[in-house]
Amino acid sequence: AQSVTQLDSQVPVFEEAPVELRCNYSSSVSVYLFWYVQYPNQGLQLLLKYLSGSTLVESINGFEAEFNKSQTSFHLRKPSVHISDTAEYFCAVTLNAGNNRKLIWGLGTSLAVNP
Amino acid sequence: NAGVTQTPKFQVLKTGQSMTLQCAQDMNHNSMYWYRQDPGMGLRLIYYSASEGTTDKGEVPNGYNVSRLNKREFSLRLESAAPSQTSVYFCASIIRQGNTEAFFGQGTRLTVV
Repeated sequence: AQSVTQLDSQVPVFEEAPVELRCNYSSSVSVYLFWYVQYPNQGLQLLLKYLSGSTLVESINGFEAEFNKSQTSFHLRKPSVHISDTAEYFCAVTLNAGNNRKLIWGLGTSLAVNP
Repeated sequence: NAGVTQTPKFQVLKTGQSMTLQCAQDMNHNSMYWYRQDPGMGLRLIYYSASEGTTDKGEVPNGYNVSRLNKREFSLRLESAAPSQTSVYFCASIIRQGNTEAFFGQGTRLTVV
């Protein structure tokens, strides 16, 4: 069975510091990988995704994630965070084969950016 | 663009009352989902509809029913609310399952007293 593990439930960081939110997955078949962000009192929205091709993907607001097949990881990074990046971040996967392609979610990582 | 619209945004119910959460999307998506979000438990899938005319149970279906009324609308019903159903409920839609983006509503914060 597929699963997603987000290794940190909470990550406190100071403004302008770098951050890494870790995500590992387990699957016997190839997957598509996603990071979603949830700002306070809002729904989730897609931050970035890996489907194929270059293993490094970027978002418009400075986040990037790298797909590492050998380590089955898809860690999210930002070199310098802002207060406005404070949010809950969810890693998710979906299978790249078969009929069951529902999203499998991690439990989320709460990023708190402090001044 | 409205995207995914959920109503109501907030609701307080007494134990044993029933209610229906409404969800509508205007993106012509095939698949729709209902999740609940609880602290420390992430998103848990309640029910989903892969396409119009089909519904299937997710991880936590007990105490809920759904109706895919048409391609746009997917409602979630609590027949007899319990305090354990206090949660934030999210509706989501995807054009098709697989490599495409899920769009979420703003959520319904439900409290059962």
